[in-house]
Amino acid sequence: DAGITQSPRYKITETGRQVTLMCHQTWSHSYMFWYRQDLGHGLRLIYYSAAADITDKGEVPDGYVVSRSKTENFPLTLESATRSQTSVYFCASSLQETQYFGPGTRLLVL
Amino acid sequence: SQQGEEDPQALSIQEGENATMNCSYKTSINNLQWYRQNSGRGLVHLILIRSNEREKHSGRLRVTLDTSKKSSSLLITASRAADTASYFCATQTFYSGGGADGLTFGKGTHLIIQP
Repeated sequence: DAGITQSPRYKITETGRQVTLMCHQTWSHSYMFWYRQDLGHGLRLIYYSAAADITDKGEVPDGYVVSRSKTENFPLTLESATRSQTSVYFCASSLQETQYFGPGTRLLVL
Repeated sequence: SQQGEEDPQALSIQEGENATMNCSYKTSINNLQWYRQNSGRGLVHLILIRSNEREKHSGRLRVTLDTSKKSSSLLITASRAADTASYFCATQTFYSGGGADGLTFGKGTHLIIQP
């Protein structure tokens, strides 16, 4: 199906584990973004990418790593998960100014 | 840091009434966008207004932008039960046609439409 997908949709992990959240879009949009959504904070930008092999930090990048070897994929890795990284993570891609969001990944770090 | 702040945080109205939500922001922007989020779902783009525009319409949605006051409002007319959702304003400070900032979101207004 065309659009933007995220996997897994739900993930439970333990502190110190490495976790990778996947994001895939079928539109060939150049720009892709990762946000986290927390109660009391709204959505905050973690990282974004302007094209394959071009990434940049957002507002809250610490503890996260991204890569973009192909235009359609933009994985987000938590190198050593912490409880403060429990959140809902949204991937988005953009066509001009409008952003299109995936369904989100709910991550619980125990 | 939070750019947009929605007001009110929660709003409950009867079906058929109009719903108005406000958003204030702090710095100069290129555009302001409104998104809807249904419970447990991703965000859906509703409407975009550029910094040189004052008002925009899309179906039952009307958005205004006052750059001198750094504020925007979203009006949903003739509300329906399906409009129950959280609504977020998001600002974009930079867009050149070839490059774009990420969006800076407010905390949202939770709208409940009573049948």
